[in-house]
Amino acid sequence: NAGVTQTPKFQVLKTGQSMTLQCAQDMNHNSMYWYRQDPGMGLRLIYYSASEGTTDKGEVPNGYNVSRLNKREFSLRLESAAPSQTSVYFCATTTEYNEKLFFGSGTQLSVL
Amino acid sequence: GESVGLHLPTLSVQEGDNSIINCAYSNSASDYFIWYKQESGKGPQFIIDIRSNMDKRQGQRVTVLLNKTVKHLSLQIAATQPGDSAVYFCAENRKDTGRRALTFGSGTRLQVQP
Repeated sequence: NAGVTQTPKFQVLKTGQSMTLQCAQDMNHNSMYWYRQDPGMGLRLIYYSASEGTTDKGEVPNGYNVSRLNKREFSLRLESAAPSQTSVYFCATTTEYNEKLFFGSGTQLSVL
Repeated sequence: GESVGLHLPTLSVQEGDNSIINCAYSNSASDYFIWYKQESGKGPQFIIDIRSNMDKRQGQRVTVLLNKTVKHLSLQIAATQPGDSAVYFCAENRKDTGRRALTFGSGTRLQVQP
């Protein structure tokens, strides 16, 4: 059991480039989340998906899009990367009625 | 601003001592709280959680205390070990936002001195 798997682990982009962060879980959980973590700050919610087929905005959705491809996979896309999107991105998952989140190991993204 | 915050950004303790990490919350609608540990380069790991109908919950070497009167949450780590060195986050489930998602505080770094 891998739990929550994120790819890639590291990425460097130039301003204006696009990329997709991948997340897959083998925990059979309904809900999946994308958070970003900036130095000295807690995690901030970008988007979440309460169940397959639904997605909702979190606190900081601007500049991002998401796709809940199926129950296992939830991807985060940056259409035109900006330096302000330099951050560590974490995917997480939870059961429908349990708030406890299980996190992936993160993607460190730098936008130059 | 953040409704979940921490009083001390860095806490330094001697190995073997007990550690107490504090967290304040301002949203009375929150009914679930959780502590995470994050080691450098890793994702947050669950430590312990508590619901608002409880005042105290114990795990292995850890205890979470919830004081709803003053909206305060604390994490106690007994006999702190070098492996406990990490950043600790508290988080709450804010029912008023309508989101089924946790709101995190900014974290406290725990440094364990040998």
